[in-house]
Parts: sequence; C-alpha cells; structure tokens
Amino acid sequence: KAGVTQTPRYLIKTRGQQVTLSCSPISGHRSVSWYQQTPGQGLQFLFEYFSETQRNKGNFPGRFSGRQFSNSRSEMNVSTLELGDSALYLCASSLSLAKNIQYFGAGTRLSVL
Amino acid sequence: SQQGEEDPQALSIQEGENATMNCSYKTSINNLQWYRQNSGRGLVHLILIRSNEREKHSGRLRVTLDTSKKSSSLLITASRAADTASYFCATDANDYKLSFGAGTTVTVRA
Repeated sequence: KAGVTQTPRYLIKTRGQQVTLSCSPISGHRSVSWYQQTPGQGLQFLFEYFSETQRNKGNFPGRFSGRQFSNSRSEMNVSTLELGDSALYLCASSLSLAKNIQYFGAGTRLSVL
Repeated sequence: SQQGEEDPQALSIQEGENATMNCSYKTSINNLQWYRQNSGRGLVHLILIRSNEREKHSGRLRVTLDTSKKSSSLLITASRAADTASYFCATDANDYKLSFGAGTTVTVRA
C-alpha cells in the first residue's frame, strides 16, 4: 500500500498570502489529522477530518481551515499568512480514530517571509 | 501544555550502546505510543502499549509503562547510526486525539 502523501514538500510564501496544502491518506483510511510542528511548540494538533466532516479542532485561529473530499483526500488552507506560521505541517491518517495509530506523511515545510 | 514530556531532551551515545528515554504524562490514559522522526520528516509509529500492559518488546525496542507513576520508558538496545532521530511519546488522554511530547533527540556516534 502507498503511504501518506503530502504535497508540496516545500513552500515559500510571503506575509499576507494564503496557502493550500494537500494530503492523500493510506487507502482505506478515513481519518485524516493535521499537525503543526515548530521547534518551540512541538507537535500541535490542528484538526481532524472523518468522512468529509471536521470531527475535532485544535486551538488555532480561524485562518487555519481544512476540508476532506469523498475519496478521503484532505486539504488544509492558511489564509493571511504570518511569520509565525512557518513550520512543518504534518498530515496523518488512521483507520478510524485520530487517537489510534497514526501514519504520517513526510510533511510540507512552509516558510513565510 | 504538553500531555507527555520526554526526558532527556537530548542524548548522545556511541554505536552499540543502549539508549533510554522517559516519558511522563499527567492524566489517565488508555494507551501510550512511541514514534520516531528522522530529521525534517514525518513520524513513524514504533510501538503501542496499553494501560494494562507493563512491558512490550519489538525488535531492539523495549517499552515499559508504569501507570501509578504516569511514566513510560523506551529502551533502544545495541544502537546503530540509523537510530539517530527524535523520539516522541504520545498519549490518548484526550478522548479524540493524540497528545505528543516535545521529544528526545538521540544522536548515535560511530
């Protein structure tokens, strides 16, 4: 089975722009979670999608949003980028619940200038 | 704040030595997981231990869990250069998601 695929791998944006990141989960996995990883804050949960519905959300501003399609692929969007949004964004999929074993993609490294 | 906290933050060992890292958490859990992350990459699941288990092995990995002390340890035996990575514990104390610790960075010297 193919693993979790995230695109693009690297992204450079400027403040105020918006960005969309993509994640294709492992085939058959219905839960997709997104995390932000920074050196100072560690791995922070952004949100989880299951069957096209946002099931849970972390403590992030409304500039961070996401969606999931009928084939379980997911996108996350960050609008009005700030310097502090520079991070590694990780997507993970699991069979059913976000608290079960997570299978991570390689991540998208976002740099905001 | 993080549910899990790893200790030490960083560890440097010689190839062939054992590496031990600890994880402490704050609230009751159903299970605890350990993940590895190679530099700038995604996390890879290593092992899951349930709250009613005390010890679990997987290859060169040994995980212990002490629910009375709310702590877990990960032992990597006979370390190799390929074990150089960051290691994270993750707990399911929150009923809908995993909470990750800040990680232990392990460097294995040749």
